Formats: sequence, C-alpha cells, structure tokens
Amino acid sequence: DAMVIQNPRYQVTQFGKPVTLSCSQTLNHNVMYWYQQKSSQAPKLLFHYYDKDFNNEADTPDNFQSRRPNTSFCFLDIRSPGLGDAAMYLCATSRDYSGGVRTFGSGTRLTVV
Amino acid sequence: GENVEQHPSTLSVQEGDSAVIKCTYSDSASNYFPWYKQELGKGPQLIIDIRSNVGEKKDQRIAVTLNKTAKHFSLHITETQPEDSAVYFCAASIAEKLVFGKGTKLTVNP
Repeated sequence: DAMVIQNPRYQVTQFGKPVTLSCSQTLNHNVMYWYQQKSSQAPKLLFHYYDKDFNNEADTPDNFQSRRPNTSFCFLDIRSPGLGDAAMYLCATSRDYSGGVRTFGSGTRLTVV
Repeated sequence: GENVEQHPSTLSVQEGDSAVIKCTYSDSASNYFPWYKQELGKGPQLIIDIRSNVGEKKDQRIAVTLNKTAKHFSLHITETQPEDSAVYFCAASIAEKLVFGKGTKLTVNP
C-alpha cells in the first residue's frame, strides 16, 4: 500500500543532543510537511517542501532544520533539543498545493531527558 | 490569516446516538475542508472531506455539511460505536495552508 512511513515511532534523546527523525513516502507526492503536535493540541506546521523548494513557517525555531534529499525521503533535524521540544512529530504529504489531500504518517514521539 | 474555531472540545455520547462537531472559519477564500480522526499515539487519519463547491457529502455513517455563506461546516456521525472514540480535528485549507481546529475528544460509551 502507498503510504507515509515515519521512523522511529519513539525516540528518546538527551537535552542538547542532536536528533534526526525520518519520513519516507511511496505516494510520489510533490509536497512533504513536518508538523509538531504537543499533548492535547492541534498539529502545528513547522515547514514544508514542494519538491526541493523549502518553505519555513515564520515562527519555526532555528533549532529545527529539514532536508529532502529526494522525492521519497524527508528528515527533521533538531540541533539542540530542549525539554519544550518533547512532542509528537508528524510527517505528511500531498500531491500538490491546490486543496491537496494530506496523508499523515503515524508520527514519532520524541522524549527529551 | 485563516482561523478555525471548533466546538465542542469534548463530547460524550451513548453508543448508537449521533454526534455532531461544528467548525467555523474566517477566510472566505478557503476551499477545502477535511476532517481527521486521531487515535491515541497515532497520526491523524482523513475520514471525510468536502470542497467549497459542494454543500454536503456522506460516507456511510459519516457526513459533512458546509455552509459557505455562514462559513461553517459540521461533522455528523450516526449510530456511534465505541471504536469511534478518538480526537477529531476539522481543518480549512487555502493552497498550501491547512489550518486545524483545536480538536474534539469524542467518547462513545457502551
């Protein structure tokens, strides 16, 4: 089945230690998104790619970076995780921008200790 | 920018009853309105969506209605079952922007 796969499902990292979360898709969608979702809140968009064109949300901290080496893969790098970065990180894809249906992965639950 | 209000924040119903969740949006240019179901520890799953040129859409026990004039849309679940228990998010979309409501925690009691 075509899908969005996130690895790992659970990630524990130390305060200040860089961590990378990964996302892959078999849908061949042009757009890939990263969202942060804290407990009992709606997902918050961090950034997105249209193909290799990177788009950062204005309020996304500099601590968060992303890479998209090819159509299928996208990575979220957190350079120096703080306790406030503990959250569920969701990857999503859509075919394009115009009212595109977004397909979400199962998420990576990040714990910072 | 777009703002989406969702009500209620929590909803508890008896199995077999109907559940209704309502959302309003602010930007009349929004043209796509999806509803997502999120179970604990999982990513949001699209359950139904509607575009601005349609007033109502139904898929088995789930229906969505859209009133463009009033800028509100609603999710209706009939004959609720315990497995419908989850958090439901509405959203409104213009181009690359998808703005979520704050979510409704639905509990279906057996």
